[in-house]
Amino acid sequence: EAGVAQSPRYKIIEKRQSVAFWCNPISGHATLYWYQQILGQGPKLLIQFQNNGVVDDSQLPKDRFSAERLKGVDSTLKIQPAKLEDSAVYLCASRQGKGTRGNTEAFFGQGTRLTVV
Amino acid sequence: GQQVMQIPQYQHVQEGEDFTTYCNSSTTLSNIQWYKQRPGGHPVFLIQLVKSGEVKKQKRLTFQFGEAKKNSSLHITATQTTDVGTYFCAGPGGTSYGKLTFGQGTILTVHP
Repeated sequence: EAGVAQSPRYKIIEKRQSVAFWCNPISGHATLYWYQQILGQGPKLLIQFQNNGVVDDSQLPKDRFSAERLKGVDSTLKIQPAKLEDSAVYLCASRQGKGTRGNTEAFFGQGTRLTVV
Repeated sequence: GQQVMQIPQYQHVQEGEDFTTYCNSSTTLSNIQWYKQRPGGHPVFLIQLVKSGEVKKQKRLTFQFGEAKKNSSLHITATQTTDVGTYFCAGPGGTSYGKLTFGQGTILTVHP
């Protein structure tokens, strides 16, 4: 079974520039998450999709971050414009289950390490 | 929103010593999951606990879910250098179905 694919693995941009990350979840997984992990901290949920609908985006800085999951498969996360404090690893995860309360494990991609200079 | 607090933040042990990390929630959890993240890696699922008072073992790892389903622990017996990494607990994050909220993690260092 192929895992969660993310690209790029690394990205360095200047502040105020824009950047986009891509995620291809495990086939058939209805739930997709984007997490932000700052060095030394736990993953912080940015947005959760159920198929192509947003379930939770309460911690997504909507003035600069946006995400979409067209057709309920691949997803992109965009930051525009980036700030220095956006430097982090952006993790995508997917999970089976359609509206269940956490009955299955989440599979994570390798992440994209973003450095904003 | 619901939060899970994890302690300690860091733990340094000599190889062969035991290690325990604790996870606490202010509200009752329907379930709790544990993940391990190796340095430079991504979180990998270890186990899920669902029942009150549940205890599960994976070789040298023992996972417990409190009777009130508000706390959990992970205990590693006789640590090895391969146990190095950050251990996270993760719980449902509130009313959103399938939401997964992570604790801050415990960074384990094992000295040979």
